[in-house]
Parts: sequence; C-alpha cells; structure tokens
Amino acid sequence: AQTVTQSQPEMSVQEAETVTLSCTYDTSESDYYLFWYKQPPSRQMILVIRQEAYKQQNATENRFSVNFQKAAKSFSLKISDSQLGDAAMYFCAYRSGPSGTYKYIFGTGTRLKVLA
Amino acid sequence: GAGVSQSPSNKVTEKGKDVELRCDPISGHTALYWYRQSLGQGLEFLIYFQGNSAPDKSGLPSDRFSAERTGGSVSTLTIQRTQQEDSAVYLCASNQRLAAHEQYFGPGTRLTVT
Repeated sequence: AQTVTQSQPEMSVQEAETVTLSCTYDTSESDYYLFWYKQPPSRQMILVIRQEAYKQQNATENRFSVNFQKAAKSFSLKISDSQLGDAAMYFCAYRSGPSGTYKYIFGTGTRLKVLA
Repeated sequence: GAGVSQSPSNKVTEKGKDVELRCDPISGHTALYWYRQSLGQGLEFLIYFQGNSAPDKSGLPSDRFSAERTGGSVSTLTIQRTQQEDSAVYLCASNQRLAAHEQYFGPGTRLTVT
C-alpha cells in the first residue's frame, strides 16, 4: 500500500523569505500523481501544485515550485517570497496513475507560520 | 460558478444518535469523494462515487457509516449510533470526472459527538 509522510509538523518562515516543506512517499507503482494542497483556517482545501510522475521537469506555479526526486521518492514544496496569506496547513497527497485506484492518500500535514 | 457546498457547517450530537451530512458537488462533476479529518491528522479516504458506477466504499471505517448519492449529484454521509471517536471534520470533494486530477473541496462539516 502507498504511504505519504510529512515529517515536519510545523514550520516558520519570515515574510519575503523562502521555505521548503518536505514530503516523502512509498509506492511500487511507476505511474502516479503527486499534489500539494493548502488548507487555511477556513478549512477549504485548495490545490497548490501537482506533478505527474512521468514528467522529469519540476512543476512550478508562480511562487510555488516542487523538487521531485522520483528515485528517492521525495516531493518537496518550495515557497518563495513568503506572504502572510501563505500561512496554512499544507498537505502532500498521492494518487495512482490511470491503471490504479482513484483514491488519494494524504500526509498528516505541515502547519506553516509566516512571521511579519 | 458555485463551488462544493456542505451542510451543516457544524453539528453537535449526543453519543448514540444518527447524523446525516450533506454534500452538493460542483454542477456537472461526476466524481465525488468523502474524507474524514481528525484533529492533527491528514485526510482519511472514506468513499468515492463515479457516475452510475458502484462506489468504492473501501475506506468506510465500520458498518455504522454509509453514503449515497442521488441522481448523480447530492451526496449524504450517514453515521449511525455515533461514537465519540467519530468527532472530526468531514470533507467532501468533487472532480470533473474520476480521472481528472484536481479535486475541488467543500468547507467541511465539523462533527462533535458528546
């Protein structure tokens, strides 16, 4: 069975600085998708960025980028120029590729605090 | 357009009572998921529906939990004979189709069992 591990329960970053959130996963599949979701205090989960495992190029969305290391099964999220609005819980998630299950597996989350 | 909505936003119930939680997915989305988020934990998959296909119920923790989706739209998660360990936030999400990657989440229902 697949697992997702987020080893940092909480992180802090100074406004305008850069922070990296870690995520590792375990799978025997070769085709899958990885996601980072943001959950602000409103509880509404928002997709931040996604990565297809077959793509070697790391995904980027504005100030958010990932470092996808397939062999190491690592999928970290880098937030550049951190803003107060980035403060939230961040969840890493895994989903099998087209030949697998459609279930999503989430990590336990990292709470990000942004300091003014 | 409107996003995923859930009701009620908060629910307090006594141990042993039954509760129903409702989810309205985005119009036209054929896939619908239910998750449970306990305090300090990640999201735990409960069930998903795709169109008229049989749902994947493999995440339901016990036979006290059930869900249905009527007319391929609104879904109801029912918890019978609630226990204190059922206290959690229940999140619903919909995908445009099962194979689509992006899930759109509702704001959740916070269930407290006293």
